[in-house]
Amino acid sequence: EAGVAQSPRYKIIEKRQSVAFWCNPISGHATLYWYQQILGQGPKLLIQFQNNGVVDDSQLPKDRFSAERLKGVDSTLKIQPAKLEDSAVYLCASSFGQKYYGYTFGSGTRLTVV
Amino acid sequence: KQEVTQIPAALSVPEGENLVLNCSFTDSAIYNLQWFRQDPGKGLTSLLLIQSSQREQTSGRLNASLDKSSGRSTLYIAASQPGDSATYLCAVVLEGGGNKLTFGTGTQLKVEL
Repeated sequence: EAGVAQSPRYKIIEKRQSVAFWCNPISGHATLYWYQQILGQGPKLLIQFQNNGVVDDSQLPKDRFSAERLKGVDSTLKIQPAKLEDSAVYLCASSFGQKYYGYTFGSGTRLTVV
Repeated sequence: KQEVTQIPAALSVPEGENLVLNCSFTDSAIYNLQWFRQDPGKGLTSLLLIQSSQREQTSGRLNASLDKSSGRSTLYIAASQPGDSATYLCAVVLEGGGNKLTFGTGTQLKVEL
């Protein structure tokens, strides 16, 4: 079974620039999550999708972050404009359903904002 | 608001030692608790999942216990090996909380030869 794919692995941008991350979940997994992990902290949920609908985006900074999951498969997370404090690892995960069936995490995208 | 705390933040032990990692959470109304391992530059790997009705789970040299009423979980690693060096994270899913994981800050473990 192929894992959760994320790209790019690393990204360095200047503050106020925009950036986008891509995630392809495990085939058949209806639920997709984006987590933000700041250095030295545990991951924090940014947004959860069930198919192509948003279940929870309460911790997504909507003035600068946006995410979409068209066709209920892969997803894109965008930051525009980026701030220094957005430097973090962005982890994508997927699970079979909304109630716990088992999470699979991708390797993450490490973003550095300078 | 659920808060998850892990102690210690970092731990260094000699190979072969048995060790315990601690996790505490403030809201006992959890659906389950998971322990994850994170290697540098990699994603999270699920180690053990304990449902709220369970007291412990075992996998190989790993044993996780859950005391829901006191808001605590421990991860016991027997006969530690250098390959166990990683960051260990615990996370909880609240009852009625969809499937959102609330993570602790992790314990960075180093097992030395």
